[in-house]
Amino acid sequence: KQEVTQIPAALSVPEGENLVLNCSFTDSAIYNLQWFRQDPGKGLTSLLLIQSSQREQTSGRLNASLDKSSGRSTLYIAASQPGDSATYLCAGDNNAGNMLTFGGGTRLMVKP
Amino acid sequence: DTEVTQTPKHLVMGMTNKKSLKCEQHMGHRAMYWYKQKAKKPPELMFVYSYEKLSINESVPSRFSPECPNSSLLNLHLHALQPEDSALYLCASSLGGGSPLHFGNGTRLTVT
Repeated sequence: KQEVTQIPAALSVPEGENLVLNCSFTDSAIYNLQWFRQDPGKGLTSLLLIQSSQREQTSGRLNASLDKSSGRSTLYIAASQPGDSATYLCAGDNNAGNMLTFGGGTRLMVKP
Repeated sequence: DTEVTQTPKHLVMGMTNKKSLKCEQHMGHRAMYWYKQKAKKPPELMFVYSYEKLSINESVPSRFSPECPNSSLLNLHLHALQPEDSALYLCASSLGGGSPLHFGNGTRLTVT
């Protein structure tokens, strides 16, 4: 069974910093990996999805990478802003969209 | 604004009540999901519907009963719940085949 871990659990940075969030998974037969953002009391917003055949995806200031051999994914946020403050969750899918396993999330605080 | 709409936003019910959570999407997605999220924990998969048929039940107790009346609607019928069932219930949809999941804002359920 896929297990997903995120480190650190919480992160506080000053505005403008570039930062990296880490996600590790145990089963390299991953179909894809998806990064989400969750604001307090809200649902999840999909940020990026990386297929198993891809190594990275980019959207604006966000870049996500996937290394199946090492069981790792990273989410890079460039020039962080206070509006980036949220919980970031990664989720691995071993069954083409039917079985997302989530990591515990990283709570990010970007201070003005 | 999310394209997956969940109602109600908040629900308080007693252990003897019967209530239903509703989820609606008009993106033409054929896969719909129910997730349960306890405070400060990641979402956990409950049910998956594919083409209006239940394809995955993650050993959820029978006091939770899902229903998919048509391709745009997903219900979760609740009966005889326990206080430990209090959580944020999230609905999601996707095109399937490993496409990104789109989440609603959830229903915050409190069982008294």
